[in-house]
Amino acid sequence: DAGITQSPRYKITETGRQVTLMCHQTWSHSYMFWYRQDLGHGLRLIYYSAAADITDKGEVPDGYVVSRSKTENFPLTLESATRSQTSVYFCASRDRAYMNTEAFFGQGTRLTVV
Amino acid sequence: AQSVTQLGSHVSVSEGALVLLRCNYSSSVPPYLFWYVQYPNQGLQLLLKYTSAATLVKGINGFEAEFKKSETSFHLTKPSAHMSDAAEYFCAGVTNFGNEKLTFGTGTRLTIIP
Repeated sequence: DAGITQSPRYKITETGRQVTLMCHQTWSHSYMFWYRQDLGHGLRLIYYSAAADITDKGEVPDGYVVSRSKTENFPLTLESATRSQTSVYFCASRDRAYMNTEAFFGQGTRLTVV
Repeated sequence: AQSVTQLGSHVSVSEGALVLLRCNYSSSVPPYLFWYVQYPNQGLQLLLKYTSAATLVKGINGFEAEFKKSETSFHLTKPSAHMSDAAEYFCAGVTNFGNEKLTFGTGTRLTIIP
């Protein structure tokens, strides 16, 4: 199916554990993004990628690691999860062709760190 | 740097009443602006976008927004609210040609009163 998919949809993990959230898109969009959504903060950018092997920090990158070895995948890793990383995480992709093209979002991953 | 401000984290309107959700941007250059809607436990879905072709933009589900450069605003309206409009709404913007990051407002939760 065409689109952008995230997995898992729900995850509970313990403090200190490593967790990887997966994101896959089928459009070959150049740009991919990871956001976290928290009450009162809206969506905040964690990391983004302009193309395979090109990544850059967003607004709140501390405690997260990303990679992009293939255009279609953009996994987000929490190296040592903390309670403050409990959040809903959204992956998005965007075609760079035009500035006014919209971003397409996955369904989100609800992560709880206990 | 571009920023987007949404006034009112919660808005309640009666069914059939006018919906007005406010968004202001701060930018020295004309931005590209978007409105997204998020239904419970779902990702973000594009409502409409400003492409500079017209200042009044029509979107899905009867929503529209007017770009007013003099007021640096891009408010979202719908003439008659429906119960199915209850959701969270996000304004987002892109500026800085060559920088394709979307910056989001903090969101407005719309409640429809029967």
